Amino acid sequence: AQSVTQPDIHITVSEGASLELRCNYSYGATPYLFWYVQSPGQGLQLLLKYFSGDTLVQGIKGFEAEFKRSQSSFNLRKPSVHWSDAAEYFCAVEASGTYKYIFGTGTRLKVLA
Amino acid sequence: DAGVIQSPRHEVTEMGQEVTLRCKPISGHDYLFWYRQTMMRGLELLIYFNNNVPIDDSGMPEDRFSAKMPNASFSTLKIQPSEPRDSAVYFCASSINERTGEQFFGPGTRLTVL
Repeated sequence: AQSVTQPDIHITVSEGASLELRCNYSYGATPYLFWYVQSPGQGLQLLLKYFSGDTLVQGIKGFEAEFKRSQSSFNLRKPSVHWSDAAEYFCAVEASGTYKYIFGTGTRLKVLA
Repeated sequence: DAGVIQSPRHEVTEMGQEVTLRCKPISGHDYLFWYRQTMMRGLELLIYFNNNVPIDDSGMPEDRFSAKMPNASFSTLKIQPSEPRDSAVYFCASSINERTGEQFFGPGTRLTVL
């Protein structure tokens, strides 16, 4: 069965520092992969998605993610974090042909001024 | 477009009462999803519809939960009777019928069952 693992529950970084959030998935074929962000009290907003092609995907708010098939990973990165990036981040995989997302447990990001 | 609309935003009820959550998807979207978010279980897909027809309800926790989509612009999730363990944030999301479409989420309904 498909699954998504986000090994870091909490991450704290200083403003201006670089960020990498980890995501590993379990899936038999090439997955459709997503990163969403959830600010407190808000719904989820799509940051970026990967379906095929270039394995480095650019998203909104300066985020990018790299699909590595050999490592079954889809890590999210940002070169310089802003205080407004403090939120919870979810990685998701879509079970092929179903339109169903399977979400990871999320990583809560704290940004220090 | 106003995005996905959910109501109410907050609901507090007593155990045993019926609760109805409402969702209006983005116009033109063919898929509608209901999720539940809790600290313990994270985000879980409860049910989803395509063209108003329920496609997969395997995530619905038990018979107390039911969902309907009477038309393309409205869906309800009902819990009857409600229990304290149903306390969670319930999200509705919609998606256009294309292979690479993203899901657009509403702001959620925070349900507290006392």
